[in-house]
Amino acid sequence: DADVTQTPRNRITKTGKRIMLECSQTKGHDRMYWYRQDPGLGLRLIYYSFDVKDINKGEISDGYSVSRQAQAKFSLSLESAIPNQTALYFCATSDLPAGLSTDTQYFGPGTRLTVL
Amino acid sequence: QKEVEQDPGPLSVPEGAIVSLNCTYSNSAFQYFMWYRQYSRKGPELLMYTYSSGNKEDGRFTAQVDKSSKYISLFIRDSQPSDSATYLCAMKRETSGSRLTFGEGTQLTVNP
Repeated sequence: DADVTQTPRNRITKTGKRIMLECSQTKGHDRMYWYRQDPGLGLRLIYYSFDVKDINKGEISDGYSVSRQAQAKFSLSLESAIPNQTALYFCATSDLPAGLSTDTQYFGPGTRLTVL
Repeated sequence: QKEVEQDPGPLSVPEGAIVSLNCTYSNSAFQYFMWYRQYSRKGPELLMYTYSSGNKEDGRFTAQVDKSSKYISLFIRDSQPSDSATYLCAMKRETSGSRLTFGEGTQLTVNP
């Protein structure tokens, strides 16, 4: 079984609809992230969470919200989807083992979202 | 201007070639440098990680960081068709916690 799962894998929706993308992980990591990937722009951070009570905005959080329901679950919501939110969305997790100065991010398989 | 610039390619090479992938950056505060590999319809996976300047080798892969030129490279020796993927560079500052800044990725195809 995959360590980081995302649902749905593909979604087509209409402008103005509310959409939720879900991420679950079995790695036991405290840190979770949501990115979007666009051609020519690479991966950009939307929101991140270092534990259940800690939520932080990334570089492009406008139009998005998140919920950290548990250590293993981190959801991304688009309250009112618009066409320029059409992108590939990735969830990632990481942990910082004792004695190391940086962590490694592990990515899920992605959700392809199309907003018409 | 983007903090991290990466030529998107596409780059096509014959099997067995040496591949050189590069990124330049503008923020001198970046201290951690990573290369991620992303296969089609998959999430990125960490390939190499380097702290500050220098070289790091792992099998057929070598990562180089030149902080004086703000330039990082990934070399792939004896390239294989299975190396066909998009390669993304990523960087972070000492004080940015886990926040990474990514290049847009270079699409590589290794032809048998």
